[in-house]
Amino acid sequence: QSVLTQPPSVSAAPGQKVTISCSGSYSNIGNNFVSWFQQLPGTAPKLLIYDNNKRPSGIPDRFSASKSGTSATLGITGLQTGDEADYYCGTWDSSLTVVFGGGTKLTVL
Amino acid sequence: QVQLQESGPGLVKPSQTLSLTCAVSGASISSGTNYWSWVRQPAGKGLEWIGRMYTSGSTNYNPSLKSRVTISVDTSENHFSLKLSSVTAADTAVYYCAREDQLAIFDYWGRGTLVTVSP
Repeated sequence: QSVLTQPPSVSAAPGQKVTISCSGSYSNIGNNFVSWFQQLPGTAPKLLIYDNNKRPSGIPDRFSASKSGTSATLGITGLQTGDEADYYCGTWDSSLTVVFGGGTKLTVL
Repeated sequence: QVQLQESGPGLVKPSQTLSLTCAVSGASISSGTNYWSWVRQPAGKGLEWIGRMYTSGSTNYNPSLKSRVTISVDTSENHFSLKLSSVTAADTAVYYCAREDQLAIFDYWGRGTLVTVSP
């Protein structure tokens, strides 16, 4: 059971938009920045978003994120087949540990 | 360009100690304000943070693993290491090393190495 809660799967058609939620508590999301990671099949995770809504260099603006209270949301617009991956949220927790969501599998139909 | 590469045995017997090394290039692990971390992922499951080491040599560990984990550094070789003692089948996973720029911002990752715990 992960500390942060994500939906196991989401799906949408190419070109459409999808959102992935990440729910936590005041001990983690509520008081810390959230990161998002993309993990393509068979590869290491890749940083997509940090500090709730900032994109590292090279990440297209099709990827966006926000945080409100104890929840965070990742949005992907203009879906492409290459976006099919597992997506994870992560943040610091007051128990002095990094916590991750259980991951969401994105299927582009 | 920062690069990380894990190495170590792919098979460890139950009750023994898992030992992995992460070689870092493109950055010095003894300077800067970064953390150097280990994260693992059992097959088909999510990510689990194991712990981190700061450039000063101080460490933080996941409370659930703290009694069995040691992360150390070899500044002369620019690499850091993970030791996990008393392993069981539940420790079978892909182990990643990563640079943690700030809390939970893992900006560079190794490719990962599969460690199987089996007799």
